[in-house]
Parts: sequence; structure tokens; C-alpha cells
Amino acid sequence: QVQLVQSGAEVKKPGDSVTVSCRASGYSFPDYPLHWVRQMPGQKFEWMGWINVANGHTKYSQNFQGRVAILRDTSARTAYLDLSSLTSEDTAVYYCTRGLCDTCYGGDYWGQGTLVTVSS
Amino acid sequence: QSVLTQPPSVSGAPGQRVTISCSGSSSNLGADYDVQWYRQLRGTAPKVLIYANTHRPSGIPDRFSGSRSDTSASLAITGLLAEDEADYYCQSYDSSLSGSWVFGGGTKLTVL
Repeated sequence: QVQLVQSGAEVKKPGDSVTVSCRASGYSFPDYPLHWVRQMPGQKFEWMGWINVANGHTKYSQNFQGRVAILRDTSARTAYLDLSSLTSEDTAVYYCTRGLCDTCYGGDYWGQGTLVTVSS
Repeated sequence: QSVLTQPPSVSGAPGQRVTISCSGSSSNLGADYDVQWYRQLRGTAPKVLIYANTHRPSGIPDRFSGSRSDTSASLAITGLLAEDEADYYCQSYDSSLSGSWVFGGGTKLTVL
């Protein structure tokens, strides 16, 4: 069955960078895009960006331009979210989700979430 | 403040029907972008209930249905069960600001 398994919780200091991984199994990895979405305390969701796993093309939300990168390693069936210059406002649960299709605007399978806490 | 607007809470008795609304604007729902609905239990990842406005993934019972019109969409749940108590979110795409997924603020469903 389709599974997305994310890396464990992180605690970072302001100004640090964080990398969250998302390992896929149960389907053809290059055939679906992967998106990253975060959920803030208070439950609000925020889309961060996505990667076309087949060709590596990425698109990021303007809200994160310049400090976010999404990468993939097709041999490891894993996607990565890099977020730099962390502040306390980046404290959230980060999810990877498989896009319904390349031109679709929703996700069908989601990772279990990774809590990133930014605190001095 | 979320781009898509949902009521903070709805409630219903077991067996009843409830609807959850999702209101947008001309750059998202009004531009005919598809709507998805997710259910989230506390501390777990969202699970898609409805995609592309009206479609149910395999395994989702037909008690759940989606509809949309102009700048709004709705999720209907019939035959309420205690296990339906959860947070529900609508999600779509917005073409402003170079385009991005957008979400509603979520609706807490309480089964009385």
C-alpha cells in the first residue's frame, strides 16, 4: 500500500536550518508529484511548495521564497524539505503529501507529520 | 485568516445529516479550481474524503458527498456516526500570488 514515512521531530534554534525527509513506498515514485504543507499551532494549514519527482522541477510559495528548497533522491525514493533562517513562527507540523496528479490541486496520501519546534 | 472560509463548528445527532460550507473568491473557487475535503483526527495527518469536488477515493463511504457552486462548496455527511467527530478542511488552488494551494480554517464536527 502507498506509504509516506517522514523523519522524526526536530528542535531548532532561531536562525538554524532544518531538513525533513519523506520516504515513499507502494507506488511508482516518479509518477506523482510531492507537496509539502505545514500546520501551524491553532490548526491553520499553509502550502509550501512541490516537486515534480520525475524531472526535479520545483515551485515554491511566495511566502517562503529564498529560504525553502525541495529536493528528491529517486534512488532512495525520498523527498526532502529544507527550510532555513528559522524563527519561532516556523514552529509547526510539516507534512509531505502525494499530489493527486501533476495538474491536480490536492493530495491523496499524507505522511505522518514531523513536528519542528523553533525555540531559543 | 484562511483564504477559504468555513464555519468553526457544526453539530448533529447520530443518524442525522450535516453540511459544512466552504466559501472562496474569484481567484480560487470562482475560477473553477477543484475542491478537496479532508478529515483530521487530533494528532494525525489529514485524510482525503472528497477530491475534484465530488469524487470519493476508494474506501470512503457514500455517506460523504461533495458539491460546489460558483464561489462555494459543501461537504455533506449523512447517517452521522460517533466516529465522524473530527476536524474537516476544504482545500483548493488560488491563482493569485503566483498560485498556491489554499485551505479553509477547518470545521469541528461534534456528534451529540
